[in-house]
Amino acid sequence: GAVVSQHPSWVICKSGTSVKIECRSLDFQATTMFWYRQFPKQSLMLMATSNEGSKATYEQGVEKDKFLINHASLTLSTLTVTSAHPEDSSFYICSARESDSLNTEAFFGQGTRLTVV
Amino acid sequence: TQLLEQSPQFLSIQEGENLTVYCNSSSVFSSLQWYRQEPGEGPVLLVTVVTGGEVKKLKRLTFQFGDARKDSSLHITAAQPGDTGLYLCAVAGAGGTSYGKLTFGQGTILTVHP
Repeated sequence: GAVVSQHPSWVICKSGTSVKIECRSLDFQATTMFWYRQFPKQSLMLMATSNEGSKATYEQGVEKDKFLINHASLTLSTLTVTSAHPEDSSFYICSARESDSLNTEAFFGQGTRLTVV
Repeated sequence: TQLLEQSPQFLSIQEGENLTVYCNSSSVFSSLQWYRQEPGEGPVLLVTVVTGGEVKKLKRLTFQFGDARKDSSLHITAAQPGDTGLYLCAVAGAGGTSYGKLTFGQGTILTVHP
């Protein structure tokens, strides 16, 4: 089956620093990847759609200058949380769907727990 | 306004009991998905329902899609502690780059006590 890998699984950073999270599709190509954020005991909320070779599309209320997304290849998207603050602490999850597939199934990474201190 | 209304939000039961989780909407969907998520991990797809009135079974889990394709339910028979987790219903975007873009319900946190 399709595998999506996120790195790191968890990270602790100081307030004001930036953190990069990687999302890789290991055995398929993904033109589109999605980034979600999940607070404790809550559901997943879509932050942005990452498009290979073009700008990401952000959901309403998500600051594009704070959450930088780069999708430079068909197997890698990165999310950089810039100038992180404690309120950015959350579980960040990416998903990817296979390029040129009519299947709507998207495969999820294992998530990244970000703690800003 | 939440696109998918999921209930209950919390469910705490004893091993062996049955339970049902509901996912309702006023919108019609071409398909609906159910996921299970364990703490510290990403969601895992359990099933996709496509046809109105469809019933799918996965061992002790039974999934139903409403006739009008506006609602769905997940029924677990004889729950076990291993069923503990967050259950999420979700619908996908309609087309183009929206394929794979999911909108989730609020989720149901299920705890099954031994």
